[in-house]
Amino acid sequence: GESVGLHLPTLSVQEGDNSIINCAYSNSASDYFIWYKQESGKGPQFIIDIRSNMDKRQGQRVTVLLNKTVKHLSLQIAATQPGDSAVYFCAENGSGGYNKLIFGAGTRLAVHP
Amino acid sequence: GAVVSQHPSWVICKSGTSVKIECRSLDFQATTMFWYRQFPKQSLMLMATSNEGSKATYEQGVEKDKFLINHASLTLSTLTVTSAHPEDSSFYICSAIVAGGSPNEQFFGPGTRLTVL
Repeated sequence: GESVGLHLPTLSVQEGDNSIINCAYSNSASDYFIWYKQESGKGPQFIIDIRSNMDKRQGQRVTVLLNKTVKHLSLQIAATQPGDSAVYFCAENGSGGYNKLIFGAGTRLAVHP
Repeated sequence: GAVVSQHPSWVICKSGTSVKIECRSLDFQATTMFWYRQFPKQSLMLMATSNEGSKATYEQGVEKDKFLINHASLTLSTLTVTSAHPEDSSFYICSAIVAGGSPNEQFFGPGTRLTVL
């Protein structure tokens, strides 16, 4: 069935380093992808999105890369800070209609001082 | 803008009782709201799509008679967990789409932690 998976369940980085979180998706019909950040006990927080007609999009300290050939999505965080520690989810809009989102398994990012 | 609230933020109930969770869009109207369930250390799983003034659409495997959804106004959707059991303990999160806004942009609530004893 449709699924969005992540390569790394946990990522530990040093403060100030760059972080890269990866995601693989299986639905080639998806045309919209989003990265969310979720802190413990809170709802998901929008980070950045990208449409399938793009392969790169940059925000403040974050960059999302989309490789449709291999169905791969990544989130790059520059100069990672302790406040970036959270679980990160990728999501795709799939083909199910109703604007539904399919979430990946999540990667926990731990930033060490 | 685009703030979504949930009430309560946490609830503990006895097995067999029913619990109602509210999802409100505070500064916008939402024609569509979504309800998700998240078990510890797992991802968000969509339970149902709630459209104002019509019946909710449930995902496969979600019991509509157990998880009652009502979307009576453009700013409020409720999820009632009927005859709750310990296996229903979870983090329930709602999201909303701004009426007339991007259909792909969902704004999430802070979640409700349900613990069934």
